[in-house]
Order: sequence, then structure tokens, then C-alpha cells
Amino acid sequence: AQSVSQHNHHVILSEAASLELGCNYSYGGTVNLFWYVQYPGQHLQLLLKYFSGDPLVKGIKGFEAEFIKSKFSFNLRKPSVQWSDTAEYFCAVNPYNNAGNMLTFGGGTRLMVKP
Amino acid sequence: DAGITQSPRHKVTETGTPVTLRCHQTENHRYMYWYRQDPGHGLRLIHYSYGVKDTDKGEVSDGYSVSRSKTEDFLLTLESATSSQTSVYFCAISEAAGGLYEQYFGPGTRLTVT
Repeated sequence: AQSVSQHNHHVILSEAASLELGCNYSYGGTVNLFWYVQYPGQHLQLLLKYFSGDPLVKGIKGFEAEFIKSKFSFNLRKPSVQWSDTAEYFCAVNPYNNAGNMLTFGGGTRLMVKP
Repeated sequence: DAGITQSPRHKVTETGTPVTLRCHQTENHRYMYWYRQDPGHGLRLIHYSYGVKDTDKGEVSDGYSVSRSKTEDFLLTLESATSSQTSVYFCAISEAAGGLYEQYFGPGTRLTVT
């Protein structure tokens, strides 16, 4: 079964610092990749997704992610974080031929941005 | 926001009692999912449905059952709740299978089993 690893469990940054959150997956075939964000007390929202094409994907709120197939990675980046980015971030993988469209999630990274 | 509601939003129950959580959607999406969220584990799939009366197990299905008698409703039942089922439960919907179709999540139900 595939697995998704997010190695940074907690990250604390000051405003305007750059952000990079790691995500690695273990599935060997073609995959669809997602980053979701969960703001405090809210449900998950999609930040960005990768299906094919340009491996550098841009999402909402200035986030981007780069798919590196050779490293099985899909790291999330933002050049300058804001206090409002404080949230928990989840990477998720969906194998391309997954009939049920099921997602496998990483354990999450809790980001705190200090004003 | 996608039209997904979950009820109840919070519940405290005792070990051994049955519990049913409801997910209701107004989007007429074919696929519906139940996940549980626990610290350090992210979200893990419990069961999913690919149509009325069509369901299948996910990664952590033991102790849970589901039913879908209408397109808009997906019920999750804990037949005899245990403390290990204390968690936040999220419902999600998807228009179709295939990676082009993202999942939309409901607001969650916080369940505490004492």
C-alpha cells in the first residue's frame, strides 16, 4: 500500500520568512498529488493539485509545489508567509488508476507563523 | 463552499453505545467518503461509497459500518463505540473517480467516547 510522509511535524516561522514543507510518497506508478490546508477549527480546503504537465504547480494564496518524480516528492513552498497562514497542511496522494478516487494522506505539518 | 453538512457536530457518548453520524450533500456527487483525523496520522479513510447502496472498505474500517440509501446521505455507524474511536470524523464528496475530480470536505464531527 502506498504511504505519504511529511517529515516536518511542527514548523514555527516569523512573518515574511520563506516556507518549504516536505512531502514524500511511496507509490511507484503514476500519481495525482494534492496539498490541503486546515485552518484552526475549519475543514480541509484544497491549496493546489498536480495531475500532469508542468511539475511546478501554483495554487491559491501564493503557494506553489514542485513535483520531482525521481525523488517521489511534492514539496510545498511559499516565498513569504503571513500570520494568516497559521494552519495545518496535509499532503495527499491518489494513484492514477485508483477506481475509488481514494486519497492517502500524510500525517500533517502544523505551521505557526509569529507576527 | 461545497454543500456538505455533517450532524451532529459534537457528540459525547459512552463506551459500548451505538453511534450514527450523518453526512448530507446537496451537490448530487456520486462518491462519498468517511475519514477520521487523529494527531500524527493525518486523515485515514474508513469507508467510501461509489453510488447508492454501493460501498467499500477503506484503511481503517474495523468497528465501523456505513449505509447509503439515497445519493445525498451517507451514514457512518459505530455499532459499539470504544475509546479508540474518539476522533474527528470528516465526510468528503467527489463528483467522479479519477484524479481530475478533487474531494470536498465537510465541517467535521468531533466524537468523544468516554
